[in-house]
Amino acid sequence: KNQVEQSPQSLIILEGKNCTLQCNYTVSPFSNLRWYKQDTGRGPVSLTIMTFSENTKSNGRYTATLDADTKQSSLHITASQLSDSASYICVVSDRGSTLGRLYFGRGTQLTVWP
Amino acid sequence: EADIYQTPRYLVIGTGKKITLECSQTMGHDKMYWYQQDPGMELHLIHYSYGVNSTEKGDLSSESTVSRIRTEHFPLTLESARPSHTSQYLCASSEVSASGRITSTDTQYFGPGTRLTVL
Repeated sequence: KNQVEQSPQSLIILEGKNCTLQCNYTVSPFSNLRWYKQDTGRGPVSLTIMTFSENTKSNGRYTATLDADTKQSSLHITASQLSDSASYICVVSDRGSTLGRLYFGRGTQLTVWP
Repeated sequence: EADIYQTPRYLVIGTGKKITLECSQTMGHDKMYWYQQDPGMELHLIHYSYGVNSTEKGDLSSESTVSRIRTEHFPLTLESARPSHTSQYLCASSEVSASGRITSTDTQYFGPGTRLTVL
């Protein structure tokens, strides 16, 4: 069964600190992996997308890594800000259909305290 | 920020009522989607559309129906709302590549969601 598991479920850090969120997946065949940020009461917004051949992708203070061999990804947030408080969702796409079926994780709820 | 809109943002309604959740996008995207998301849970695809007059059911069985008469508009209808329909409904759209081939790297742009509560 194709699954996407994220850890931790929730995380609290102080403003200015770094943190790393984890994503493990069993989706096969693999096409790409995305990280989305979802603010409370809003729709998800894409942060990064990585295909099989990419092992790192940055977007400002967000850096995503991908190890396609171990089927793991991480999202590293540097110098956290209060606005980083949100749910971070890992989404994996297979290449088994033209739809490019997406498998969603449940997200990591990040809270940044001042 | 993506130009995709959903109305209403919040809806509280009684059991048995018919409701329509609106979704519109101004990006000219051919593909549109409806997801259902419960608190702390993953998004589940309930409907999608490749273009005008094209609609398909998603992975999660839903009693809702959709229509796609215009490219920019993808409304979702519940004929008789029940408490089990209480959830957040997210609409999204993505662009078909220039080659016309739908690729899995298409980025989906999400609307702000409609929080539905059925009493």
